[in-house]
Amino acid sequence: EDQVTQSPEALRLQEGESSSLNCSYTVSGLRGLFWYRQDPGKGPEFLFTLYSAGEEKEKERLKATLTKKESFLHITAPKPEDSATYLCAVQARNNDMRFGAGTRLTVKP
Amino acid sequence: DAGVIQSPRHEVTEMGQEVTLRCKPISGHNSLFWYRQTMMRGLELLIYFNNNVPIDDSGMPEDRFSAKMPNASFSTLKIQPSEPRDSAVYFCASSPRLAGVPYEQYFGPGTRLTVT
Repeated sequence: EDQVTQSPEALRLQEGESSSLNCSYTVSGLRGLFWYRQDPGKGPEFLFTLYSAGEEKEKERLKATLTKKESFLHITAPKPEDSATYLCAVQARNNDMRFGAGTRLTVKP
Repeated sequence: DAGVIQSPRHEVTEMGQEVTLRCKPISGHNSLFWYRQTMMRGLELLIYFNNNVPIDDSGMPEDRFSAKMPNASFSTLKIQPSEPRDSAVYFCASSPRLAGVPYEQYFGPGTRLTVT
């Protein structure tokens, strides 16, 4: 069965303290891996799509990378406004879309 | 663009009542998705449409749930009869791509449903 596991569940950082979030997956034929950001009381906001191992995408302080078994979301010098829940999702060959439980990030000033 | 629009934003109803949630996708998008989010189960895909046609409803939990998309700019998710365990936040999302190629999704603000 397809599975997506995100770690850690929660992460507290000081402003400027860089770190990484992990998304481990098992899926029958990966079509795409997606990262979303979700603020409290809002819908998830699309960040990145990664298609194949070795691919990287960047946006401002965020960089997403992909291997055959996991993806990392690296946050460089985070700011308080980066506080949110970050969700990872994988699309399998059969087009099933499965979301992880998310990592709740808090960045303290 | 106004983004995905959902209504109502909040719904409180009694067990046994019919509930209808509404969604207007982003204009020009080709696929539409309904999700349910709870603390226990996270974000779950319920059903999705390509070009207004239902493609996969395997995530719909029971026959009490039904979804329609009569045209490209409107979809409904209906629960009849509702039960307390249906309490959740329901999201609608749309994508410019057809589900079947890697597709990013754009989510609405959600409808928080409480069934007492």
